Amino acid sequence: ILNVEQSPQSLHVQEGDSTNFTCSFPSSNFYALHWYRWETAKSPEALFVMTLNGDEKKKGRISATLNTKEGYSYLYIKGSQPEDSATYLCAFTNQAGTALIFGKGTTLSVSS
Amino acid sequence: GAVVSQHPSRVICKSGTSVKIECRSLDFQATTMFWYRQFPKKSLMLMATSNEGSKATYEQGVEKDKFLINHASLTLSTLTVTSAHPEDSSFYICSIGQGRNTIYFGEGSWLTVV
Repeated sequence: ILNVEQSPQSLHVQEGDSTNFTCSFPSSNFYALHWYRWETAKSPEALFVMTLNGDEKKKGRISATLNTKEGYSYLYIKGSQPEDSATYLCAFTNQAGTALIFGKGTTLSVSS
Repeated sequence: GAVVSQHPSRVICKSGTSVKIECRSLDFQATTMFWYRQFPKKSLMLMATSNEGSKATYEQGVEKDKFLINHASLTLSTLTVTSAHPEDSSFYICSIGQGRNTIYFGEGSWLTVV
């Protein structure tokens, strides 16, 4: 059974704090790792797709790293803002064009 | 703008009735669509892969006669929950893929069976 684990389940930070979350996934037969940002009542929004070991991607204050050999990815948010409050999902796929296997998500709450 | 439109966003139905959820691709043709379900505090779980013009592929434990999927065109897939029971109350969401790694989601549908 393929399993994706995310930690922490939730966290609460103050505006301006930097934070990071972890996604663990099977390291064998890896194809791609996706990060999504999901706000209530909206579609999950794609943040990053990473395919190569050592990949690092950045979008504004958000960045992600990938280690396929040990099966983990980190998502970093620098200088958190209230608008960053959302659930961050990671999802793994072991083959092109197949469905994603999701973690339960990390729910971030940023207070001003 | 939205790439995938899912409707309805919320629906309440009585036990024993059927309810249909639509997933529409707005920007491009989708030969494959995925249907997921999420129970409280659980991950999004794949229910089935919807294939245009052919039968859907269901994941283990998902009853194909209960969750009817129709993908009659390249822009529309529907999920019908038949003879709904309260335990079917859940969040249902569809997704489509473009190319090898780009995946778009609908807004999701909250189903409550009373």
